[in-house]
Amino acid sequence: DAGITQSPRHKVTETGTPVTLRCHQTENHRYMYWYRQDPGHGLRLIHYSYGVKDTDKGEVSDGYSVSRSKTEDFLLTLESATSSQTSVYFCATNRQSNYGYTFGSGTRLTVV
Amino acid sequence: QKEVEQNSGPLSVPEGAIASLNCTYSDRGSQSFFWYRQYSGKSPELIMSIYSNGDKEDGRFTAQLNKASQYVSLLIRDSQPSDSATYLCAVMDSNYQLIWGAGTKLIIKP
Repeated sequence: DAGITQSPRHKVTETGTPVTLRCHQTENHRYMYWYRQDPGHGLRLIHYSYGVKDTDKGEVSDGYSVSRSKTEDFLLTLESATSSQTSVYFCATNRQSNYGYTFGSGTRLTVV
Repeated sequence: QKEVEQNSGPLSVPEGAIASLNCTYSDRGSQSFFWYRQYSGKSPELIMSIYSNGDKEDGRFTAQLNKASQYVSLLIRDSQPSDSATYLCAVMDSNYQLIWGAGTKLIIKP
């Protein structure tokens, strides 16, 4: 396993507040990803990173930003949370670009 | 728009039988193919990867790839109740982006 830790595991926040989710990996994997999973939509890519300070947008990046200042940490920030961002958020990593991903345990975020 | 299609199910299979899960994809340039298992409330877990045409076996699982038909399948032999889960097909396109299917819910009946 890639040793991926997501924090927090659960969070309830109010509309309009900023929220940061953290993904920490101990395997020195170059590539890291943030997904959200919602019923009826499957897994959707929010942002990804291919190295320290190298990030790019996925298909549902509006309202989200990311930062990667160290290989092991990839942060996802909701600048001003909305109810539509209520979801389960997964972090994933892989060692090489054509390898399968390993997922963290997820963060269940509720925006009220 | 690159797509990966799976039947949503549920697919109900008796215990001990073979479960067959199917997936088609649209990008002919795809080179890497993956099957993930996801239990309810848990994260996806990689169970099989396949990169070339043919069959790849790992224990009770066999992945089959046919690039000409743009088709990948997963067979589960001697199905167990613990195999009940949603199975996600994922295809890595020519830009190394992973395209996900919506998943097939598999139910193994004791």
